[in-house]
Amino acid sequence: EPEVTQTPSHQVTQMGQEVILRCVPISNHLYFYWYRQILGQKVEFLVSFYNNEISEKSEIFDDQFSVERPDGSNFTLKIRSTKLEDSAMYFCASSPTSPKGTDTQYFGPGTRLTVL
Amino acid sequence: DAKTTQPTSMDCAEGRAANLPCNHSTISGNEYVYWYRQIHSQGPQYIIHGLKNNETNEMASLIITEDRKSSTLILPHATLRDTAVYYCIVRPVYNNNDMRFGAGTRLTVKP
Repeated sequence: EPEVTQTPSHQVTQMGQEVILRCVPISNHLYFYWYRQILGQKVEFLVSFYNNEISEKSEIFDDQFSVERPDGSNFTLKIRSTKLEDSAMYFCASSPTSPKGTDTQYFGPGTRLTVL
Repeated sequence: DAKTTQPTSMDCAEGRAANLPCNHSTISGNEYVYWYRQIHSQGPQYIIHGLKNNETNEMASLIITEDRKSSTLILPHATLRDTAVYYCIVRPVYNNNDMRFGAGTRLTVKP
């Protein structure tokens, strides 16, 4: 069964450094998402991406964050200058069709980001 | 914030049915009820969803009341591997962006 994959599984970085989290969505999916979950808290929506542009973003997704689909398979989340409070699990998800579709989101296993 | 209310935690004996309730009294006619679960800190796993009718798949059954104000997820024969946090989410039919996770129900399956 096709799966969303994410790398690395764990990333440790120093405060102020840039990090790039990588995701490979399910191959025929067109719509991509990033979520985060701070330890012990809820899963929170960050951003959705469709047709090579951001479809929607939350208030968490500020100028420090960016997303990109650099090629036909990868979807990345960049945090330009990490802060301690960026420490969290980051989940990528994908769904088959457009934002106005009825399709289900499928999640990857997550990347644990630790900012020291 | 989440449009659903779920119990904080539940226990279930291994091999028995686990019935997880969810209240969504403000649901509108064009909103799905979705269920996901999260085992440890893994990514949320899709279980099932429905609009009006009851649904069943290989993982679970979803029973939606006639007024659609509440639903129950049924795991027919719970195993220890079903121990997880279960999220009930109300999502607009035509807006895939609007997935709001609440705190969910922590289900513990006991031997």
